[in-house]
Amino acid sequence: DIVLTQSPDSLAVSLGERATINCKSSQSILYSPNNKNHLAWYQQKPGQPPKLLLYWASTRESGVPDRFSGSGSATDFTLTISNLEAEDVAVYYCQQHYTTPPTFGQGTRLEIK
Amino acid sequence: QLQESGPRLVKPSETLSLTCTVSGGSFRSSSYYGGWIRQPPGKGLEWIGSILYTGSTYHNASLKSRVTISMDTSKNQFSLNLTSVTAADTAVYYCARHRGSGYSFIDHWGQGILVSVSS
Repeated sequence: DIVLTQSPDSLAVSLGERATINCKSSQSILYSPNNKNHLAWYQQKPGQPPKLLLYWASTRESGVPDRFSGSGSATDFTLTISNLEAEDVAVYYCQQHYTTPPTFGQGTRLEIK
Repeated sequence: QLQESGPRLVKPSETLSLTCTVSGGSFRSSSYYGGWIRQPPGKGLEWIGSILYTGSTYHNASLKSRVTISMDTSKNQFSLNLTSVTAADTAVYYCARHRGSGYSFIDHWGQGILVSVSS
């Protein structure tokens, strides 16, 4: 199985600042035929299911604010949240959708400093 | 929309059975895979498997021998059976919709149902 390792496990960022979460894959998840990175990002707030933020590493899901952006390729990816708002407090997960079984990172807890 | 239902308490060694009811559209005509994902309390996400209306399935090999995913298109439902459960199977179980293949990203999630395994 592909292992995804997120860093850091938790971080605290001030309102209005930028939060950066990393996700490293144990193997490349860049699919050559379509030149797309098969990585998604989710946000999970307490007591709620995860919510899809980004897929193909950088494509924003409909309705997701453009403060959320994704970058990276092959094995190293980043989720960036700009202009942090109080509502962004959550646990964030990356997921590879390159091969079965799809696997998730361990999660990164984002808090307000 | 997706809604999980089933017993919230299962005894060890018994079978966990959950159903996901799809509303707001036909599971059969959607061409999306319906999936199951679980999350032990306070822990991360584990994908269990998925099913297309044709009956095509994907399973997580770590659970495959204990997992059956089936569907009832007439009821717009798909189901999960997990046999020989132990305390380690205690988790919130989510049904979800994969966009694309049976292991693609997930664009819709049910609210989840907490199933506890205890005698």
